[in-house]
Amino acid sequence: DAGVTQSPTHLIKTRGQQVTLRCSPKSGHDTVSWYQQALGQGPQFIFQYYEEEERQRGNFPDRFSGHQFPNYSSELNVNALLLGDSALYLCASRLAGGGEQYFGPGTRLTVT
Amino acid sequence: KNEVEQSPQNLTAQEGEFITINCSYSVGISALHWLQQHPGGGIVSLFMLSSGKKKHGRLIATINIQEKHSSLHITASHPRDSAVYICAVRIGTSGSRLTFGEGTQLTVNP
Repeated sequence: DAGVTQSPTHLIKTRGQQVTLRCSPKSGHDTVSWYQQALGQGPQFIFQYYEEEERQRGNFPDRFSGHQFPNYSSELNVNALLLGDSALYLCASRLAGGGEQYFGPGTRLTVT
Repeated sequence: KNEVEQSPQNLTAQEGEFITINCSYSVGISALHWLQQHPGGGIVSLFMLSSGKKKHGRLIATINIQEKHSSLHITASHPRDSAVYICAVRIGTSGSRLTFGEGTQLTVNP
């Protein structure tokens, strides 16, 4: 049973570029959340997807957008990258009805 | 003031010592999670609590809903326990959004 997977593992982009990160939830899970973790800090909630719709959103600008596909996998898109977007991006999945969240290994994004 | 506060921020222990990490929160929650994060980033869920106490191996987690406080205990600590331990809460009853503490960096020396 595969857990939560994310791709790519590492990514280097230049300011102003756009990036897409991908997440496949744990088998059987239908809800995906994305978090941003800056170095030395706790993760911050970006948004949550369920039934292919954004259900909750944290305090992030519109440059951060996402998508959920019918197979429950999800993408996080960030436009017009800033240096401050450099962080570890974590995906977590769970069942909508409740239960523990399972985290992926993260994607380390570096913006130069 | 953060909604979730952890203490201590850093903790160094000798192998075999009993370790306690504390978490206090200021809002109503439906669940509290203890998570472990090793260098490189991956997060592992240790416990999810809504009341009482849970035990798994050498790890024990307790929560006091009235006092808005939780503790994570590690008995007979080992160098492989060295990691960042993070407390996270689900505020209210809707959604899966977690609010995280800043984490406690634990180093266990042999």
